[in-house]
Amino acid sequence: DAGVTQSPTHLIKTRGQQVTLRCSPISGHKSVSWYQQVLGQGPQFIFQYYEKEERGRGNFPDRFSARQFPNYSSELNVNALLLGDSALYLCASSLAATTSTGELFFGEGSRLTVL
Amino acid sequence: KQEVTQIPAALSVPEGENLVLNCSFTDSAIYNLQWFRQDPGKGLTSLLLIQSSQREQTSGRLNASLDKSSGRSTLYIAASQPGDSATYLCAVFTANQAGTALIFGKGTTLSVSS
Repeated sequence: DAGVTQSPTHLIKTRGQQVTLRCSPISGHKSVSWYQQVLGQGPQFIFQYYEKEERGRGNFPDRFSARQFPNYSSELNVNALLLGDSALYLCASSLAATTSTGELFFGEGSRLTVL
Repeated sequence: KQEVTQIPAALSVPEGENLVLNCSFTDSAIYNLQWFRQDPGKGLTSLLLIQSSQREQTSGRLNASLDKSSGRSTLYIAASQPGDSATYLCAVFTANQAGTALIFGKGTTLSVSS
């Protein structure tokens, strides 16, 4: 079975541009979460979606937005890119809405570099 | 606010040694705790998941314990191998104003020499 897949794997943008990252969860998983990992730090929670509804949002500015589609895939959008947005963006999927008892499975990430 | 701390930040050991990685968290109201492995530039691989009602989980050479009351978890790696070299991340699943999410430590970078 395929794991969590993310695209693109690497991309380079310039300040002020916009970026869209994509994620396909493990088959059967209905919850998708997004995390940002800056070099040398642990991942930080951005969003969680379940059944196309936003269930949680971390401490990120409104330039960050996301959505989930009927097939449970998800997109993360970042507008007006800043140098500080350079990071590895990780997508995770799980079976349950809150994953209070469930395990999160992560993809390989999308490495964003903002110049 | 939940905070997760991992000690040490880096660890170097010769092949064959048994080792312990430490994780502490400030709020004991967690749903579960998960240990991950991350190779350089790669995503996270789940190693072990411990529910809040459990005390430990084992998978092969790995054993993770959880003491929720004291806010501590340890990851024990037996008979370390060079292939174990990676960064190990501890994360607790908790509820806060953001919803429910994993809160991560900064990780312990392990280097096992042959």
